[in-house]
Amino acid sequence: AQSVTQPDIHITVSEGASLELRCNYSYGATPYLFWYVQSPGQGLQLLLKYFSGDTLVQGIKGFEAEFKRSQSSFNLRKPSVHWSDAAEYFCVGTNTDKLIFGTGTRLQVFP
Amino acid sequence: DTAVSQTPKYLVTQMGNDKSIKCEQNLGHDTMYWYKQDSKKFLKIMFSYNNKELIINETVPNRFSPKSPDKAHLNLHINSLELGDSAVYFCASSQDGRRAFFGQGTRLTVV
Repeated sequence: AQSVTQPDIHITVSEGASLELRCNYSYGATPYLFWYVQSPGQGLQLLLKYFSGDTLVQGIKGFEAEFKRSQSSFNLRKPSVHWSDAAEYFCVGTNTDKLIFGTGTRLQVFP
Repeated sequence: DTAVSQTPKYLVTQMGNDKSIKCEQNLGHDTMYWYKQDSKKFLKIMFSYNNKELIINETVPNRFSPKSPDKAHLNLHINSLELGDSAVYFCASSQDGRRAFFGQGTRLTVV
Protein backbone atom coordinates (compact mmCIF):
# COMPACT_ATOMS: atom_id res chain seq x y z
CA ALA A 1 0.00 0.00 0.00
CA GLN A 2 1.12 3.54 -0.65
CA SER A 3 2.25 5.36 2.44
CA VAL A 4 4.27 8.29 3.70
CA THR A 5 5.93 8.02 7.08
CA GLN A 6 7.29 10.74 9.30
CA PRO A 7 8.97 8.89 12.17
CA ASP A 8 9.44 11.94 14.38
CA ILE A 9 6.23 13.24 15.93
CA HIS A 10 7.89 16.07 17.83
CA ILE A 11 11.28 17.74 17.44
CA THR A 12 12.78 20.50 19.55
CA VAL A 13 15.76 22.55 18.46
CA SER A 14 17.48 25.71 19.58
CA GLU A 15 17.29 28.78 17.41
CA GLY A 16 20.25 28.85 15.05
CA ALA A 17 20.72 25.10 15.12
CA SER A 18 20.44 22.94 12.02
CA LEU A 19 17.31 20.93 11.34
CA GLU A 20 16.46 17.72 9.56
CA LEU A 21 12.93 16.32 9.39
CA ARG A 22 12.64 12.78 8.17
CA CYS A 23 10.22 11.43 5.59
CA ASN A 24 10.02 7.95 4.08
CA TYR A 25 7.70 6.85 1.34
CA SER A 26 6.38 3.57 0.10
CA TYR A 27 5.06 3.58 -3.45
CA GLY A 28 5.06 1.27 -6.44
CA ALA A 29 6.90 3.90 -8.45
CA THR A 30 8.66 7.10 -7.49
CA PRO A 31 5.96 9.46 -6.32
CA TYR A 32 5.82 13.18 -6.49
CA LEU A 33 6.84 14.44 -3.07
CA PHE A 34 6.11 17.62 -1.21
CA TRP A 35 6.77 19.27 2.10
CA TYR A 36 4.05 21.47 3.54
CA VAL A 37 4.17 23.64 6.63
CA GLN A 38 1.23 24.52 8.81
CA SER A 39 1.76 27.35 11.25
CA PRO A 40 -0.54 27.69 14.24
CA GLY A 41 -3.94 28.86 13.08
CA GLN A 42 -2.83 28.96 9.44
CA GLY A 43 -3.51 26.84 6.40
CA LEU A 44 -1.01 24.63 4.72
CA GLN A 45 1.79 26.26 2.76
CA LEU A 46 3.93 24.48 0.21
CA LEU A 47 7.64 24.58 1.10
CA LEU A 48 9.04 22.61 -1.80
CA LYS A 49 8.34 19.76 -4.17
CA TYR A 50 10.15 17.01 -6.03
CA PHE A 51 8.90 15.72 -9.35
CA SER A 52 12.06 14.54 -11.09
CA GLY A 53 15.55 15.68 -12.00
CA ASP A 54 17.92 17.16 -9.46
CA THR A 55 17.49 15.25 -6.23
CA LEU A 56 18.33 18.26 -4.07
CA VAL A 57 15.48 20.72 -4.21
CA GLN A 58 15.38 24.21 -2.81
CA GLY A 59 12.28 25.67 -1.27
CA ILE A 60 11.08 28.80 0.40
CA LYS A 61 12.24 30.13 3.76
CA GLY A 62 15.69 28.59 3.36
CA PHE A 63 14.50 24.98 3.36
CA GLU A 64 15.83 22.24 1.14
CA ALA A 65 15.10 18.55 0.75
CA GLU A 66 16.99 15.67 -0.74
CA PHE A 67 15.34 12.80 -2.56
CA LYS A 68 17.16 9.49 -2.02
CA ARG A 69 15.70 6.66 -4.01
CA SER A 70 17.89 4.01 -2.37
CA GLN A 71 16.54 4.97 1.04
CA SER A 72 13.02 5.88 -0.09
CA SER A 73 13.49 9.13 1.76
CA PHE A 74 12.79 12.79 1.22
CA ASN A 75 14.19 14.56 4.27
CA LEU A 76 13.72 18.25 4.87
CA ARG A 77 16.66 20.33 6.06
CA LYS A 78 17.49 23.83 7.13
CA PRO A 79 20.98 24.95 8.17
CA SER A 80 19.85 27.49 10.76
CA VAL A 81 16.41 27.47 12.32
CA HIS A 82 14.54 30.64 13.21
CA TRP A 83 11.94 30.93 15.96
CA SER A 84 9.29 31.58 13.31
CA ASP A 85 9.90 28.11 11.89
CA ALA A 86 7.98 26.58 14.81
CA ALA A 87 5.08 24.81 13.13
CA GLU A 88 3.74 21.47 11.98
CA TYR A 89 5.46 19.98 8.93
CA PHE A 90 3.84 17.49 6.61
CA CYS A 91 5.51 15.30 4.04
CA VAL A 92 3.11 14.44 1.23
CA GLY A 93 3.35 12.01 -1.63
CA THR A 94 1.29 11.22 -4.68
CA ASN A 95 1.42 9.59 -8.08
CA THR A 96 -2.30 9.79 -8.66
CA ASP A 97 -4.96 12.32 -7.94
CA LYS A 98 -4.79 11.30 -4.30
CA LEU A 99 -2.46 13.02 -1.90
CA ILE A 100 -1.10 10.88 0.92
CA PHE A 101 0.00 12.79 3.96
CA GLY A 102 2.48 11.79 6.60
CA THR A 103 1.34 12.15 10.17
CA GLY A 104 3.26 15.37 10.62
CA THR A 105 6.22 16.51 12.71
CA ARG A 106 5.77 19.27 15.22
CA LEU A 107 8.77 21.56 15.42
CA GLN A 108 9.46 23.58 18.55
CA VAL A 109 12.19 26.20 18.57
CA PHE A 110 13.77 27.44 21.76
CA PRO A 111 15.61 30.78 21.96
CA ASP B 1 -6.69 37.47 -4.39
CA THR B 2 -7.08 34.34 -2.31
CA ALA B 3 -6.55 31.27 -4.50
CA VAL B 4 -8.59 28.81 -2.43
CA SER B 5 -11.04 30.28 0.03
CA GLN B 6 -13.18 28.54 2.59
CA THR B 7 -16.06 29.91 4.59
CA PRO B 8 -16.60 30.06 7.43
CA LYS B 9 -13.21 29.97 9.09
CA TYR B 10 -14.76 28.96 12.40
CA LEU B 11 -18.01 27.11 12.95
CA VAL B 12 -19.47 26.23 16.33
CA THR B 13 -22.70 24.30 16.34
CA GLN B 14 -24.75 21.92 18.41
CA MET B 15 -25.05 18.20 17.96
CA GLY B 16 -27.74 17.16 15.54
CA ASN B 17 -27.56 20.30 13.43
CA ASP B 18 -26.93 20.40 9.70
CA LYS B 19 -24.19 22.67 8.44
CA SER B 20 -22.28 23.49 5.26
CA ILE B 21 -18.75 24.63 4.54
CA LYS B 22 -18.13 26.40 1.28
CA CYS B 23 -15.01 26.31 -0.85
CA GLU B 24 -14.12 28.31 -3.91
CA GLN B 25 -10.98 28.38 -6.02
CA ASN B 26 -10.07 30.99 -8.62
CA LEU B 27 -7.13 29.11 -10.09
CA GLY B 28 -9.04 27.42 -12.89
CA HIS B 29 -8.12 24.01 -11.49
CA ASP B 30 -9.99 20.90 -12.54
CA THR B 31 -9.75 18.98 -9.27
CA MET B 32 -10.90 19.93 -5.81
CA TYR B 33 -10.59 18.08 -2.52
CA TRP B 34 -11.83 18.02 1.03
CA TYR B 35 -9.45 16.93 3.77
CA LYS B 36 -10.14 16.41 7.44
CA GLN B 37 -7.49 17.13 10.03
CA ASP B 38 -8.13 15.41 13.31
CA SER B 39 -7.00 16.43 16.77
CA LYS B 40 -3.69 14.68 16.23
CA LYS B 41 -2.97 16.84 13.15
CA PHE B 42 -3.26 13.94 10.76
CA LEU B 43 -4.75 14.95 7.44
CA LYS B 44 -6.97 12.51 5.62
CA ILE B 45 -8.65 12.92 2.28
CA MET B 46 -12.43 12.75 2.30
CA PHE B 47 -13.52 13.57 -1.23
CA SER B 48 -12.11 14.58 -4.56
CA TYR B 49 -13.98 16.06 -7.49
CA ASN B 50 -12.71 16.43 -11.01
CA ASN B 51 -14.72 18.67 -13.31
CA LYS B 52 -17.73 18.38 -11.02
CA GLU B 53 -17.59 14.60 -10.90
CA LEU B 54 -16.78 12.63 -7.78
CA ILE B 55 -13.57 10.65 -8.26
CA ILE B 56 -12.47 9.89 -4.71
CA ASN B 57 -14.87 9.06 -1.93
CA GLU B 58 -13.05 7.70 1.07
CA THR B 59 -14.83 5.95 3.86
CA VAL B 60 -16.65 8.72 5.62
CA PRO B 61 -20.12 8.67 7.17
CA ASN B 62 -22.86 9.30 4.65
CA ARG B 63 -23.84 12.28 6.76
CA PHE B 64 -21.07 14.03 4.82
CA SER B 65 -22.02 14.96 1.29
CA PRO B 66 -19.96 17.05 -1.12
CA LYS B 67 -21.67 19.19 -3.71
CA SER B 68 -19.94 20.75 -6.69
CA PRO B 69 -22.21 23.23 -8.49
CA ASP B 70 -19.40 24.12 -10.87
CA LYS B 71 -15.71 23.51 -11.35
CA ALA B 72 -14.72 26.37 -9.07
CA HIS B 73 -16.79 25.32 -6.07
CA LEU B 74 -16.88 22.29 -3.81
CA ASN B 75 -19.10 22.59 -0.79
CA LEU B 76 -19.28 20.15 2.10
CA HIS B 77 -22.62 19.46 3.73
CA ILE B 78 -22.78 17.68 7.05
CA ASN B 79 -26.04 16.38 8.46
CA SER B 80 -26.82 15.41 12.04
CA LEU B 81 -23.52 16.65 13.39
CA GLU B 82 -21.80 14.58 16.06
CA LEU B 83 -19.13 15.45 18.60
CA GLY B 84 -16.60 13.38 16.69
CA ASP B 85 -17.02 15.59 13.66
CA SER B 86 -15.10 18.33 15.43
CA ALA B 87 -11.96 18.93 13.41
CA VAL B 88 -10.35 21.28 10.94
CA TYR B 89 -11.52 20.74 7.38
CA PHE B 90 -9.31 21.79 4.50
CA CYS B 91 -10.36 22.40 0.95
CA ALA B 92 -7.76 22.16 -1.80
CA SER B 93 -7.52 22.31 -5.56
CA SER B 94 -5.05 21.15 -8.18
CA GLN B 95 -4.70 21.21 -11.94
CA ASP B 96 -2.68 18.12 -12.63
CA GLY B 97 -3.89 16.19 -9.62
CA ARG B 98 -0.54 16.54 -7.98
CA ARG B 99 0.39 19.96 -6.68
CA ALA B 100 -2.46 21.14 -4.49
CA PHE B 101 -3.25 24.57 -3.18
CA PHE B 102 -5.01 24.62 0.16
CA GLY B 103 -7.52 26.88 1.80
CA GLN B 104 -7.02 28.26 5.29
CA GLY B 105 -9.14 25.58 6.88
CA THR B 106 -12.46 25.61 8.70
CA ARG B 107 -12.39 24.75 12.37
CA LEU B 108 -15.61 22.96 13.19
CA THR B 109 -16.55 22.55 16.82
CA VAL B 110 -19.59 20.49 17.73
CA VAL B 111 -20.93 21.01 21.24
